[in-house]
Amino acid sequence: TQLLEQSPQFLSIQEGENLTVYCNSSSVFSSLQWYRQEPGEGPVLLVTVVTGGEVKKLKRLTFQFGDARKDSSLHITAAQPGDTGLYLCAGGDTGKLIFGQGTTLQVKP
Amino acid sequence: DVKVTQSSRYLVKRTGEKVFLECVQDMDHENMFWYRQDPGLGLRLIYFSYDVKMKEKGDIPEGYSVSREKKERFSLILESASTNQTSMYLCASSLKRASGYEQYFGPGTRLTVT
Repeated sequence: TQLLEQSPQFLSIQEGENLTVYCNSSSVFSSLQWYRQEPGEGPVLLVTVVTGGEVKKLKRLTFQFGDARKDSSLHITAAQPGDTGLYLCAGGDTGKLIFGQGTTLQVKP
Repeated sequence: DVKVTQSSRYLVKRTGEKVFLECVQDMDHENMFWYRQDPGLGLRLIYFSYDVKMKEKGDIPEGYSVSREKKERFSLILESASTNQTSMYLCASSLKRASGYEQYFGPGTRLTVT
């Protein structure tokens, strides 16, 4: 059974700090995705990483796929209060994705 | 842009009532999903559908049923609502790209059963 474990579960930081969120598995995934969910809303797809070692940037967010395609990380530089939300990683080789439990990020002004 | 809409943002129902949650997507996606989301439990898949009139059970189908009569519409039915079905319900549709499957979510329905 494929599982995705995220760490940390909760993160509370001050505006301007940097942070990294991790998504790990013992299984190989053909691709992994990151979603952000704001309170009271549905998750929104941020990025898909496909190639082992791939790095993608989305403004202040940097996503990396591990060389072995078993893990991924999300790094936020100079976090802003608008980055507050639940970050979910997901993957799967069929239409039915497996989701991590999520990392709740709070960025205080 | 993909748009997934859900019939209600907030819903309050009484125990024993039959509840219908509707989801519509406008991008001709074949796959559609219903999840519930509870604090500490993450996203849990209730049912999914790969095509019209086709459905498959997810991880927690008990107490729920679904209907997909048209490609764009996927309905979740709570036959007899119970208080433990109070939750956030999320619908999604998915598209297969060269990079893999990507899911697009609706805004969610916050259901309270009293």
